[in-house]
Amino acid sequence: DVKVTQSSRYLVKRTGEKVFLECVQDMDHENMFWYRQDPGLGLRLIYFSYDVKMKEKGDIPEGYSVSREKKERFSLILESASTNQTSMYLCASRSRWGNQETQYFGPGTRLLVL
Amino acid sequence: GEDVEQSLFLSVREGDSSVINCTYTDSSSTYLYWYKQEPGAGLQLLTYIFSNMDMKQDQRLTVLLNKKDKHLSLRIADTQTGDSAIYFCAEGASGTYKYIFGTGTRLKVLA
Repeated sequence: DVKVTQSSRYLVKRTGEKVFLECVQDMDHENMFWYRQDPGLGLRLIYFSYDVKMKEKGDIPEGYSVSREKKERFSLILESASTNQTSMYLCASRSRWGNQETQYFGPGTRLLVL
Repeated sequence: GEDVEQSLFLSVREGDSSVINCTYTDSSSTYLYWYKQEPGAGLQLLTYIFSNMDMKQDQRLTVLLNKKDKHLSLRIADTQTGDSAIYFCAEGASGTYKYIFGTGTRLKVLA
């Protein structure tokens, strides 16, 4: 029953490292999202991809980039990790067709930047 | 500005009904959502309602929408210990990819 998977559940990185977070969905959804979740702040959108090679900035894109070379895979890149990027990162995919909508989230990657 | 507010905690006894409330501010929102997040997991979309509806029922879940007051509620009938989780409401507009999430309500079900 796999729908959205994320490459790591936990990651520990050092300040300045380049970090890759991978997300894969098996539902052929066109839309994919990267959020970060911090206590008391809910979910905040980092980037959105509406199709292969297409992306839109979310509310907090600074310090992040994304890649979507294949429909099923959406990668989040931290070019130079900083301690304020310590967070839970959630990937999601979405299908919206008329009035019908389905969304699935991955289990999350908890990133600690030292 | 855009904001979605929820109370932080709710505690109920097993078998009782739970009602989780949410207020939102964007009157142009088309969809209103409820999600469940269990410990260590991602979010699960439970249900959603269109802004032109007043109510939606799905098994033990009932969503009520008061558009005039911008108030959304989720009622869980016969609450079980497995319903213990954090519940998020969110709003979204048709044709956009942006969702505005509340900060979540932690539901604790007492046996």
